[in-house]
Amino acid sequence: AAGVIQSPRHLIKEKRETATLKCYPIPRHDTVYWYQQGPGQDPQFLISFYEKMQSDKGSIPDRFSAQQFSDYHSELNMSSLELGDSALYFCASSSGGLNEKLFFGSGTQLSVL
Amino acid sequence: ILNVEQSPQSLHVQEGDSTNFTCSFPSSNFYALHWYRWETAKSPEALFVMTLNGDEKKKGRISATLNTKEGYSYLYIKGSQPEDSATYLCAFLYNNNDMRFGAGTRLTVKP
Repeated sequence: AAGVIQSPRHLIKEKRETATLKCYPIPRHDTVYWYQQGPGQDPQFLISFYEKMQSDKGSIPDRFSAQQFSDYHSELNMSSLELGDSALYFCASSSGGLNEKLFFGSGTQLSVL
Repeated sequence: ILNVEQSPQSLHVQEGDSTNFTCSFPSSNFYALHWYRWETAKSPEALFVMTLNGDEKKKGRISATLNTKEGYSYLYIKGSQPEDSATYLCAFLYNNNDMRFGAGTRLTVKP
């Protein structure tokens, strides 16, 4: 069965550079969530989208932006990268509804040098 | 304010101990409560989705209860094993598609 696909798997950037992470949800899933987990830290909810509109926002820095496209894939854009942005970034998708659980991708490991 | 709070933040137990942790959420606009298990460097895995007050779900040694009127859910692990070490996240679905996650409880089971 198709799963949530994230690309790239690994990304190395330098300070002040920009990065774009992509998330392709499971087919027919219209809801996408982004999550960040720094080394040794608790996971932090960043932002979510439903039907191409932002539906909830967590602790996402102003340097970050995200959107969901017409094919429901989502991109997380990060600018002016800082060392503290080094983390594992997960996205998850859901088909919505009360009983629908989230399916998570394998994550993108971002290292800012 | 939509706060989902989990306690304790971290927990260290010995192998064989039973343990439980709490997820607190707003009791209004409740749609569903999710529990996820997140091992380091792996994708979070869904444990339970609960929607009804009084729901009790069980998966092996792990079970969960739900009280929507008072806004809490308990996750229980019976006879903890080292492989249970992970962060346990709860997530509160407060509209049909708006979900707020707790910060998680980090469980460490020592052999």
